[in-house]
Amino acid sequence: DAGVIQSPRHEVTEMGQEVTLRCKPISGHNSLFWYRQTMMRGLELLIYFNNNVPIDDSGMPEDRFSAKMPNASFSTLKIQPSEPRDSAVYFCAVGGRAVAGELFFGEGSRLTVL
Amino acid sequence: GIQVEQSPPDLILQEGANSTLRCNFSDSVNNLQWFHQNPWGQLINLFYIPSGTKQNGRLSATTVATERYSLLYISSSQTTDSGVYFCAGVPPGGGNKLTFGTGTQLKVEL
Repeated sequence: DAGVIQSPRHEVTEMGQEVTLRCKPISGHNSLFWYRQTMMRGLELLIYFNNNVPIDDSGMPEDRFSAKMPNASFSTLKIQPSEPRDSAVYFCAVGGRAVAGELFFGEGSRLTVL
Repeated sequence: GIQVEQSPPDLILQEGANSTLRCNFSDSVNNLQWFHQNPWGQLINLFYIPSGTKQNGRLSATTVATERYSLLYISSSQTTDSGVYFCAGVPPGGGNKLTFGTGTQLKVEL
């Protein structure tokens, strides 16, 4: 099993503010994924990285969203400026050590934009 | 993109009952997986099962890749089994992009 630490667990902010979500996977995983979950759209892949390099960001909704992975143990998802429709649970996940396509999720960051 | 249909969408069971959840894919997929999202929102990996059958305690899963479906069996259900069950897979040429179904909402009552 993988350990994936996400922070903050909950964030409430006002429209227009910058939001930064963080993910710290235990080392040894080559791939990292950011997902968003809403009632309307379910679980959507936003972006994923292999060996710290962004591979596919086609799920990123618009230019207000950006993600970085400066090293194998840290990734951020930033929203600037935030809007109420960005309210969702954002999950970070890693590919398994034995099977890269097997995903293990963090506990998520619940974002509310007022 | 592929369509992932899960059935039933909702299910209520009495504790101790058995159930079968189904996942149909519109195209062949790789990396088929089942997840359980508990009432606290945590997504737990249950099975990585691109083909064949696996068992883990009261849960088992079977994937028939040639017919593009997978089944999740829950036996002797418990209240802690409540939550949403998702299946997910990667379409051909999809790299590592898991596409999720809409889920089966399960409630197990005493």
